[in-house]
Amino acid sequence: GAGVSQSPSNKVTEKGKDVELRCDPISGHTALYWYRQSLGQGLEFLIYFQGNSAPDKSGLPSDRFSAERTGGSVSTLTIQRTQQEDSAVYLCASSWTPGAYEQYFGPGTRLTVT
Amino acid sequence: TQLLEQSPQFLSIQEGENLTVYCNSSSVFSSLQWYRQEPGEGPVLLVTVVTGGEVKKLKRLTFQFGDARKDSSLHITAAQPGDTGLYLCAGAPGDYKLSFGAGTTVTVRA
Repeated sequence: GAGVSQSPSNKVTEKGKDVELRCDPISGHTALYWYRQSLGQGLEFLIYFQGNSAPDKSGLPSDRFSAERTGGSVSTLTIQRTQQEDSAVYLCASSWTPGAYEQYFGPGTRLTVT
Repeated sequence: TQLLEQSPQFLSIQEGENLTVYCNSSSVFSSLQWYRQEPGEGPVLLVTVVTGGEVKKLKRLTFQFGDARKDSSLHITAAQPGDTGLYLCAGAPGDYKLSFGAGTTVTVRA
């Protein structure tokens, strides 16, 4: 079956512009996660969605970052007024149930802020 | 400060050699996972270990979970160029969040 898909695969934007990153999880997966991976670093947790529950936004680095998940499926991560330090690979993952040990990752969106 | 410390950060070996990657923490985890990530792709789950002292084998890869569930190791026997990649360990303290190590970049030269 289809895996997690993300778009765009690459995004170059100017400092100060807003960007939207999209994630389409595996069908039937109830949990969805966003992570950020900077060069030489591990994955940094950003936000977690589970069904209709309030999302866990504890990992969002600033109020310029927001995310939504529509209809329990597709998710969009929005970064407003981008800064150069936002440059990173943004990864989305999904899993069958909350707290499931196995997470399935998409290929990521490489964001470059110039 | 990383919750999980991986060592070494980089490892370059010749095809056919063995290698071991370590993942250590002062925290206890209910489970620990190993992922491999190739350039331009997301991490791919290799294994999940949940029991202290557990050993799992996946072809030439052997994974161990420490008795106290604070550390883990990944051993590759007779490494091949196809084993090249970034190896990440990730621990679940008990809820849905995974804490990732910074990763070990493994290069296997033909």
